[in-house]
Amino acid sequence: DARVTQTPRHKVTEMGQEVTMRCQPILGHNTVFWYRQTMMQGLELLAYFRNRAPLDDSGMPKDRFSAEMPDATLATLKIQPSEPRDSAVYFCASGNPVGSTEAFFGQGTRLTVV
Amino acid sequence: AQKVTQAQTEISVVEKEDVTLDCVYETRDTTYYLFWYKQPPSGELVFLIRRNSFDEQNEISGRYSWNFQKSTSSFNFTITASQVVDSAVYFCALSEPSGYSTLTFGKGTMLLVSP
Repeated sequence: DARVTQTPRHKVTEMGQEVTMRCQPILGHNTVFWYRQTMMQGLELLAYFRNRAPLDDSGMPKDRFSAEMPDATLATLKIQPSEPRDSAVYFCASGNPVGSTEAFFGQGTRLTVV
Repeated sequence: AQKVTQAQTEISVVEKEDVTLDCVYETRDTTYYLFWYKQPPSGELVFLIRRNSFDEQNEISGRYSWNFQKSTSSFNFTITASQVVDSAVYFCALSEPSGYSTLTFGKGTMLLVSP
């Protein structure tokens, strides 16, 4: 049963600390998305990659957020330094535009910055 | 700019009732895709349906049905004979012409089905 895997599922950290969230997309999917979910803003796109190249990261605060795909099986989202307003659930999703299939979401990483 | 509006913030029904979740969208594109996702209490986002703008046929999948009306820019979702397991937040989403890239989500409708 192919699925997007995100780690960690939960993370509590102190303000100012670095946070790294990881995502393993479904094998064969060439597009990876990062979304953030908060009560106030709902689900927002932070960044997405196609064939490991960043296509759009306009939704990310550039000064503290960075997203990378070191290889086809790993996507990372890093926050440095973290702030309480970064507390949210971060979702990774993957898909493949060939055949126009839907995007599959991971279970999310619930981040709490205290 | 694309926009998705789910006017119903929360709906409460009793088991076996039918319930319709509304979704209205805005886009300047003539080709686009519409989606519904379910987010149960466990938190994951579960894909339910994807529809392209050229296909206005209604779709039925078990107790779920979707009514796409381009004339009113609506893509409503009906659950027939609701069950407690249907309790979740349901999101309607819209994507650009390339398929599912950069989904624009509505704020979601929380559905609570009581026994």
